[in-house]
Amino acid sequence: AQSVAQPEDQVNVAEGNPLTVKCTYSVSGNPYLFWYVQYPNRGLQFLLKYITGDNLVKGSYGFEAEFNKSQTSFHLKKPSALVSDSALYFCAVLPRRAGANNLFFGTGTRLTVIP
Amino acid sequence: SQTIHQWPATLVQPVGSPLSLECTVEGTSNPNLYWYRQAAGRGLQLLFYSVGIGQISSEVPQNLSASRPQDRQFILSSKKLLLSDSGFYLCAWTRLNTGELFFGEGSRLTVL
Repeated sequence: AQSVAQPEDQVNVAEGNPLTVKCTYSVSGNPYLFWYVQYPNRGLQFLLKYITGDNLVKGSYGFEAEFNKSQTSFHLKKPSALVSDSALYFCAVLPRRAGANNLFFGTGTRLTVIP
Repeated sequence: SQTIHQWPATLVQPVGSPLSLECTVEGTSNPNLYWYRQAAGRGLQLLFYSVGIGQISSEVPQNLSASRPQDRQFILSSKKLLLSDSGFYLCAWTRLNTGELFFGEGSRLTVL
């Protein structure tokens, strides 16, 4: 079965400290990998994606994510957290096969950046 | 540029009443369209997706239905709402096979 795991429901980090939001996946082949962010009462916004190439992907708002094939992980990172980064973060994967239309989403991790 | 609109933004309905949520996309053609439900501010549940006019795939059996009467219009409906239908409903679109979803602002449904 294909799945995406975000093992932490909640991550708290002090403003200015580095942050990591974890994601692992179990999907056959080499899927496309995504991170989305959701602010309260809003739709999800695309942050970044990994398709191929460099394992470190840079995205919006200073976020980056590191793809690790051996660990099947795609952790989201930021060197210095801002209070405005507080939001709900979703990892998602899309199987790399013809006709694949639907993303598998993780259950989300709520990030709180403490001033 | 492409935009996606959802309405209404907020809806309070009694149990047993009908539902219609609408979603339209502008600035693109033949998008894949999706309806998700998010309960209690957490995980997303894919309800329906559509790859073309009149083509609807249902992911979860329930008392909801979806229709795509036009290329860029996606409608979520119910004939009789249940309490368990309460939630935050999100419409999204994507270019074929890119995986990058663009979400609407959501419709919050409360069934009383």
